[in-house]
Amino acid sequence: DIQMTQSPSTLSASIGDRVTITCRASQTVFRYLAWYQQKPGKAPKLLIHTASSLESGVPSRFSGSGSGTEFTLTISSLQPDDFATYYCQHFYNFPWTFGQGTKVEL
Amino acid sequence: QVQVVESGGGVVQPGGSLRLSCAASGFSFSNYGMHWVRQAPGKGLEWVAFIRKDENKKEYAESVKGRCTISRDNSKKMVFLEVNNLETEDTAVYYCVKDDPVFSLWGQGTLVTVSS
Repeated sequence: DIQMTQSPSTLSASIGDRVTITCRASQTVFRYLAWYQQKPGKAPKLLIHTASSLESGVPSRFSGSGSGTEFTLTISSLQPDDFATYYCQHFYNFPWTFGQGTKVEL
Repeated sequence: QVQVVESGGGVVQPGGSLRLSCAASGFSFSNYGMHWVRQAPGKGLEWVAFIRKDENKKEYAESVKGRCTISRDNSKKMVFLEVNNLETEDTAVYYCVKDDPVFSLWGQGTLVTVSS
């Protein structure tokens, strides 16, 4: 199984900060990588798919990059609505696995 | 409205069984695979199972393999997850998710609590 490792696990940031979250795969997933945002008590929301494609309706301050085994999610200027937990997930082969999550807090 | 709505969760004793249901609407259900993803309280997301649109391919996480059966009824636009021999570690919110192929459409989840 492909293991996904996110760093950091928790990130303290302020409004307006540039935030970067890293996701590493234990073997190549090419560009079969997605990012999700989850708020307490809610279902996850798709932000980015295929490593860098912004899902429709997602603000442009979110961006994704990377390929192979190293990926990043960047929030260019953190907004109040962005405090949440973020997950990466590969969809290269089964089982599809998620990273352990990164909590972005104030 | 494009949505999936889960039901069937509840409190079950260890060793018991449960059948979760997911009703889809607003999209051409028979053209899409479907997944179940779960989240234990305070924990991360775990992919559980997948069924292809024609039911000819099913995949399971190792943690549920042999105890879980995913199925669907395209005529009713529904997908099901039957979990047997439930363990306390199966306590989680179970989400039904459309395969797009990424997880673009999630339900609100249904809570399964395994407890004596």
